[in-house]
Amino acid sequence: QQQVKQSPQSLIVQKGGISIINCAYENTAFDYFPWYQQFPGKGPALLIAIRPDVSEKKEGRFTISFNKSAKQFSLHIMDSQPGDSATYFCAATGSYQLTFGKGTKLSVIP
Amino acid sequence: DVKVTQSSRYLVKRTGEKVFLECVQDMDHENMFWYRQDPGLGLRLIYFSYDVKMKEKGDIPEGYSVSREKKERFSLILESASTNQTSMYLCASSFPGRGEKLLFGSGTQLSVL
Repeated sequence: QQQVKQSPQSLIVQKGGISIINCAYENTAFDYFPWYQQFPGKGPALLIAIRPDVSEKKEGRFTISFNKSAKQFSLHIMDSQPGDSATYFCAATGSYQLTFGKGTKLSVIP
Repeated sequence: DVKVTQSSRYLVKRTGEKVFLECVQDMDHENMFWYRQDPGLGLRLIYFSYDVKMKEKGDIPEGYSVSREKKERFSLILESASTNQTSMYLCASSFPGRGEKLLFGSGTQLSVL
């Protein structure tokens, strides 16, 4: 079974700090790497995504860093805010079927 | 506002009952998916459909079946509910092709007693 390994399982960051979530994959056929954000009581929603032809993508305070040779990618949340408290899922695909990581519960404390 | 609507937010059923979870999308998406979400296990794909009357097994199809008679509606069926099927069930839809954004419903929390 194709896997995407995500860490840490939970993360506590102070307001204003940097949150970093890491993911690793095995399947070299994967060519699209999205991150989904899920608030309590809601379904996941696409946050940001990257393709392997670039090493970094930034949207506001959210940045994906991608290391193709290491088969790793990470989400950085700069200036973390309490409103960023949510569960974050990395994912990967080489088709229309996404493989998700197990999720990271982020808590940003004031 | 485009959306994926799941018919029930909470559902309580008894062991052995036949359970139907309904999902409707209004984006004219070809692809529809059913996931279950469990703490520490993330999102696991049960079944997906890329066209009306078409279905494909995901990673954990055992104990489930699906029905897609119309493009906008995708149903998940638990033929004989068991306690290990207590979970959050999420429906999603997307346009075909790699890299297409999944749009999720808010989920159905199913408890099987």
